[in-house]
Amino acid sequence: NAGVTQTPKFQVLKTGQSMTLQCAQDMNHNSMYWYRQDPGMGLRLIYYSASEGTTDKGEVPNGYNVSRLNKREFSLRLESAAPSQTSVYFCASSFATGQNTEAFFGQGTRLTVV
Amino acid sequence: RKEVEQDPGPFNVPEGATVAFNCTYSNSASQSFFWYRQDCRKEPKLLMSVYSSGNEDGRFTAQLNRASQYISLLIRDSKLSDSATYLCVVTLNTGGFKTIFGAGTRLFVKA
Repeated sequence: NAGVTQTPKFQVLKTGQSMTLQCAQDMNHNSMYWYRQDPGMGLRLIYYSASEGTTDKGEVPNGYNVSRLNKREFSLRLESAAPSQTSVYFCASSFATGQNTEAFFGQGTRLTVV
Repeated sequence: RKEVEQDPGPFNVPEGATVAFNCTYSNSASQSFFWYRQDCRKEPKLLMSVYSSGNEDGRFTAQLNRASQYISLLIRDSKLSDSATYLCVVTLNTGGFKTIFGAGTRLFVKA
């Protein structure tokens, strides 16, 4: 019963490097999300995908790209990492309709850009 | 204006106290409402859903006022283990379903 799985759990990048954060869910959820959380701050939505094949910008999309590869997987890419992108990144998923639309989270990726 | 706003906190309360968290949301088309709990350096986890009729789970009571676009969480008889950040959460389906989190309110319960 894996739920939402994120990889990697930790990453250190140099400024300008690129990387992709992976996320997969096994709950047959329609919607998937990427959030970032800076120290002492709340969750801010980067991008979301309401269904397979669709993606939309959230509150803080600049510097990121996403791919909804299939229903299970939603990846987040940093093309040229900047120190301002140092944060904890959470992937989440949920159903979009019905009674149970609460979001379930992965354990987070702690990213440091130096 | 942020889509979901919460009391900034932190709240520092003694064990046994009753504490109330408030939250407002800006979009009247918001569909579902939740309270999440987040422990330090951990992922958020669902605490409880919030229904128009109000709902209770042990020491926790959540209420929703759609007319005022207001959500509350009441914790009675606070325990040390209640120390965490409490996040107000709203879902929207406006051209795509999404889940919006408030910034959270930090609670410290002290012996």
